[in-house]
Amino acid sequence: KNQVEQSPQSLIILEGKNCTLQCNYTVSPFSNLRWYKQDTGRGPVSLTIMTFSENTKSNGRYTATLDADTKQSSLHITASQLSDSASYICVVSFTGTASKLTFGTGTRLQVTL
Amino acid sequence: AAGVIQSPRHLIKEKRETATLKCYPIPRHDTVYWYQQGPGQDPQFLISFYEKMQSDKGSIPDRFSAQQFSDYHSELNMSSLELGDSALYFCASSSRQYYGYTFGSGTRLTVV
Repeated sequence: KNQVEQSPQSLIILEGKNCTLQCNYTVSPFSNLRWYKQDTGRGPVSLTIMTFSENTKSNGRYTATLDADTKQSSLHITASQLSDSASYICVVSFTGTASKLTFGTGTRLQVTL
Repeated sequence: AAGVIQSPRHLIKEKRETATLKCYPIPRHDTVYWYQQGPGQDPQFLISFYEKMQSDKGSIPDRFSAQQFSDYHSELNMSSLELGDSALYFCASSSRQYYGYTFGSGTRLTVV
């Protein structure tokens, strides 16, 4: 069964600190992996999308890494800001007869003063 | 564990017909989101509800409407269907109090 697991489930950090969120997947065959930022009740914001051949991709203070061999991805947030408080969702796409997404349950990040 | 339930799983409609998709969130989840994923495309956010009130609106066509009911389930109503509406429609639920953000398996709508 294709699965996407994220850790930690929740995280509280001080403003200005860095943090790393993890995403492990068992999806196969893999197509691409996306990280989204989602505020509760709001639409998601795409942060990065990575294909099999990409190891790292940055978007401002967000840097995603991908290890397709170990089926792990991480999202590193640098110099966190209060506005980074949100849920971060890892979404993995696998190839097949029909396009299919498998969603992680997200990591809820809270940035405090 | 209970998951987000979407019904039906598959739906075939003709052009100009109407369709209603249903979403039953995780118990105690108060927020519901709807997404549309066209073939080979990223999921597009349509609309969300919190405590039965619309909380955010994305790229939802005027032909579509949605609501969340007192039992927190949500329905997406689609009228005057067009071929381009053929897509996978995902529903997700979350809670402002509890951790977790869960997607349903989706409803595949085919308009012919």
